[in-house]
Amino acid sequence: SQKIEQNSEALNIQEGKTATLTCNYTNYSPAYLQWYRQDPGRGPVFLLLIRENEKEKRKERLKVTFDTTLKQSLFHITASQPADSATYLCAQSYSSASKIIFGSGTRLSIRP
Amino acid sequence: NAGVTQTPKFQVLKTGQSMTLQCAQDMNHEYMSWYRQDPGMGLRLIHYSVGAGITDQGEVPNGYNVSRSTTEDFPLRLLSAAPSQTSVYFCASRIGDPTDTQYFGPGTRLTVL
Repeated sequence: SQKIEQNSEALNIQEGKTATLTCNYTNYSPAYLQWYRQDPGRGPVFLLLIRENEKEKRKERLKVTFDTTLKQSLFHITASQPADSATYLCAQSYSSASKIIFGSGTRLSIRP
Repeated sequence: NAGVTQTPKFQVLKTGQSMTLQCAQDMNHEYMSWYRQDPGMGLRLIHYSVGAGITDQGEVPNGYNVSRSTTEDFPLRLLSAAPSQTSVYFCASRIGDPTDTQYFGPGTRLTVL
């Protein structure tokens, strides 16, 4: 079955640096990869979606890449701030199905 | 718009009891889904619905039932609760297409003793 994995459970970086989170999928490429932010005690909030035929997507300080050769998506936060501290989830979906399947998440901590 | 609402926020059950987790959205979204979230395991899809009268199973459907009689409501039923169903449950909705933004409710924290 298709799996999506976020290898790092936690990531700690210094304020102002770029945070890079990794999401890997198995077998065939999903049509879409999505990234969400989740704060403690709250539901996830959608951030960005990237399609299989797109290499890169940007939104303000956020950037997502999709590499079908490496079967990987990278999520970058530039000029990171303590307010960016949260758990970030990646998710995959396919054009022929409606399901969205999530990875286990990476807890990001930005220290001042 | 209230968005996606879930009730109750917290619930404690004894093994074998039944209950229904409520989910409602006022955005006229066709697609709704239920996830459970456990430590270290991320969100796992339980059931989903692509419209009123249509439901399908996700990754972990056993022990849960759903129905979709209206566009607005998508209740999740536990017929005989087990300790393994202790989790945080999230309901989500979107217009329809997988590229549409998916909105999540605030979650229900369920403990089964």
